[in-house]
Order: sequence, then structure tokens, then C-alpha cells
Amino acid sequence: DIQMTQSPSSLSASIGDSITITCRASQDISYHLAWYQQKPGKVPNLLIYSTSTLLSGFPSRFSGSRSGTDFTLTISSLQPEDVATYYCQNHHSAPLTFGGGTKVEIK
Amino acid sequence: QVQLEESGGGVVQPGRALRLSCAASGFSFTNHAMHWVRQAPGKGLEWVAGISYDGLNKYFADSARGRFAISRDNSKNTLDLQMNSLRAEDSAVYFCARGWDMLGEGYFDYWGQGSLVTVSS
Repeated sequence: DIQMTQSPSSLSASIGDSITITCRASQDISYHLAWYQQKPGKVPNLLIYSTSTLLSGFPSRFSGSRSGTDFTLTISSLQPEDVATYYCQNHHSAPLTFGGGTKVEIK
Repeated sequence: QVQLEESGGGVVQPGRALRLSCAASGFSFTNHAMHWVRQAPGKGLEWVAGISYDGLNKYFADSARGRFAISRDNSKNTLDLQMNSLRAEDSAVYFCARGWDMLGEGYFDYWGQGSLVTVSS
């Protein structure tokens, strides 16, 4: 099974900061990586799929990239409404594993 | 608009069974794989099971294989999860999620509000 290792598990940053969340796959999943945003008490929302395709409705300060089996989610200028837990997910093959999540807070 | 509504959650004793259902509307149900994803209180997301558009391909997490069964009724636009031999660690909110594709190995573009399952004596 493909394991997804996400880091850090939490981070605190200031408004306007650029932050990066990393997700490492235990084997090659090509570009098949999705990111979800889950705000406190809410249902997860698909944010990015296929490494870097941003869902309409999300601002362009969110971006995704890949280097081999390492994937990153970047928020270029952190805003208060970005407070959430972010999860990566392998969408290459079953089992469709998630990373452990990264909780993003405002400093 | 796409709507997914789960039902069937509740409190159940360890070792017993429970069946969750998901009613789908607002899209062509037969054009999408469907999935169950769960989240234990205060924990992360865990994919549980998925089923292809025609019900012929089914996928399970190791934690669910052999105890859970997934099925769909395309005439009623419903998705089910039959959970047997429940354990305390199965306690979670169970989300019904739409797969973006038909076959079942992809990402999840719409989610229901979830149904809480508590396994406790």
C-alpha cells in the first residue's frame, strides 16, 4: 500500500506569510495527488487535484507542485480564512490513502 | 446541485453490525464512483471503501476488508456501507463522497455532511 507522510503536523504563521506543507508518497504516484481543506467543524473540500489543478472558487494564493514523490502545497500570503487542516491524498491507486493532516493557525 | 445525505449512524455495541446509507441527488449517479471516508473524533481522514459506477469493482482499506461491504443501487441513487463485527476503533463520522471518475481510484469532489457511528458497550 502507498503511504502518505505529511509534514508538519501543525504550523503557526502570521498574516501575509508564505507557508508550505509537504506530502511524501512511499512510492511513485506520478502526478496523482490531491489536497483537501477542512475548516473547523466543517466537511472537507477538494482544493487541488492532479498535483496542481486548483478548484475554481479557491484563490490563486494556493498552489501545488511536485518533485518526484514529494508534493507541496503552498499558500503564498496566509489569510485568516485559511485557518484549517489540510490533507493530501493519493489518487493513483487503491487504497486511496490520506496524509495525516497539517493544522494551520494564525500566529 | 450535488447533494449527498448519509443516514443510519448511531450507537452500537462492539461486535454488532450497522448499515449506513447515502442518498445522492443533483447529478448523474451512474457516471461516478462512490466512496466512504471516515474521521474519528479529533483525528484525520481515512478512506474506507469505494465502488465503481457499475458496482463491479470494489475497493477496501485494510481496516475494512473482510468486515465491511459496499454496495450501490443505481435505480435508487443510493450507496450503502454494511459494517459487521464493529470495534471501538470504528467509531467515527462516516462521510459519503463522490468520486470524480467512474472506476473508483481517484479523488473526491463532493462530500456529504457525515453520519456519526459510535461503537460502545
